[in-house]
Amino acid sequence: GAVVSQHPSWVICKSGTSVKIECRSLDFQATTMFWYRQFPKQSLMLMATSNEGSKATYEQGVEKDKFLINHASLTLSTLTVTSAHPEDSSFYICSARSGTRSTDTQYFGPGTRLTVL
Amino acid sequence: QKEVEQNSGPLSVPEGAIASLNCTYSDRVSQSFFWYRQYSGKSPELIMSIYSNGDKEDGRFTAQLNKASQYVSLLIRDSQPSDSATYLCAVNGDSGNTGKLIFGQGTTLQVKP
Repeated sequence: GAVVSQHPSWVICKSGTSVKIECRSLDFQATTMFWYRQFPKQSLMLMATSNEGSKATYEQGVEKDKFLINHASLTLSTLTVTSAHPEDSSFYICSARSGTRSTDTQYFGPGTRLTVL
Repeated sequence: QKEVEQNSGPLSVPEGAIASLNCTYSDRVSQSFFWYRQYSGKSPELIMSIYSNGDKEDGRFTAQLNKASQYVSLLIRDSQPSDSATYLCAVNGDSGNTGKLIFGQGTTLQVKP
């Protein structure tokens, strides 16, 4: 099956610093990548949709200047949490799909656990 | 606001029994439906997808879709302790092809040996 990787798998940082998370599709080209956030005992909340070569589309309530997304190639998307604060501590998960149909499967990365001190 | 509803559980079944997980959704235009399994501390993994009314079977798993009633269910036969996890129902979030998924809050399944 399709494989999506994320790096790092966990990160601890100080308040006010920026953190970059990478999401890579290893064996397919991802036309679209998605970024989710999951707080403890809650479901996944979509943050933004990222298409290669174009600006990301953010969900309502997600600050685009705080969560910078760059989809540089068909296999790589990055999420940068700028000026992170303790309330940004969460489990960040990316997913990717190869096609453009609503029936195309999304494959999830293993997630990145961010802890902001 | 488009919603996907699941009973958070926990749903507890004995080993070998059938576990039945249910999900309802609010948007009638939804066309694609997915069940994901998520172990604690891990990311979701796809179990089943279903797009047409009726049943779809894959091994011990059967997904059922009823668009008229706007519900989708997942049956797990011969439940094993390794099936203990949170099961997330996901529905495509719009009528287009953006691929956006709306997730339910998940149902925690506990399979007792």
